[in-house]
Amino acid sequence: QKEVEQDPGPLSVPEGAIVSLNCTYSNSAFQYFMWYRQYSRKGPELLMYTYSSGNKEDGRFTAQVDKSSKYISLFIRDSQPSDSATYLCAMSGLAGGGADGLTFGKGTHLIIQP
Amino acid sequence: KAGVTQTPRYLIKTRGQQVTLSCSPISGHRSVSWYQQTPGQGLQFLFEYFSETQRNKGNFPGRFSGRQFSNSRSEMNVSTLELGDSALYLCASSLAIRTEAFFGQGTRLTVV
Repeated sequence: QKEVEQDPGPLSVPEGAIVSLNCTYSNSAFQYFMWYRQYSRKGPELLMYTYSSGNKEDGRFTAQVDKSSKYISLFIRDSQPSDSATYLCAMSGLAGGGADGLTFGKGTHLIIQP
Repeated sequence: KAGVTQTPRYLIKTRGQQVTLSCSPISGHRSVSWYQQTPGQGLQFLFEYFSETQRNKGNFPGRFSGRQFSNSRSEMNVSTLELGDSALYLCASSLAIRTEAFFGQGTRLTVV
């Protein structure tokens, strides 16, 4: 079993829809959870950074962490074609990295249809 | 504020050669991490440097090495290149070893 599981997609939704992206993990030592967006041929862009369980909202983005279920989510409201990208979840046992740095999911390819 | 700068953006090397990649972190950031991204394995952690010292290392062979300079700039070196080393190499910059990581655009290495 991989440490972090993420559905690769592609996930295709119409413009304006609410998008739900998810990751599950197995390492209970993970405390810090991140979501990155990566456009083709670009580096990952940090969207959300959260600690432990709970919700965090930033504009159209909401990150949720449920440590008891080892499950994290990213919600995108009012999705736009410019949101089309690969979304990567990442996590670590220490903020910013630890013995193994950040552990990433494989990414979900999201397509927003105009 | 300038972001993370990686040079060069593209490289083509021959098997057996060695390569050096460079990373300039965000001004004021003292931690630099390196990752390898491939379609099959995704993003994998190589190593992390803080204040010129390697703090953490991923599960990669000794052919992969790195260093950090007093101005926080970092280089990574891959010796005796193999075809499987073809990947996007990403550098991430953090204020300190336990803070958010911001990535550069990467160096795309092709080994032929």
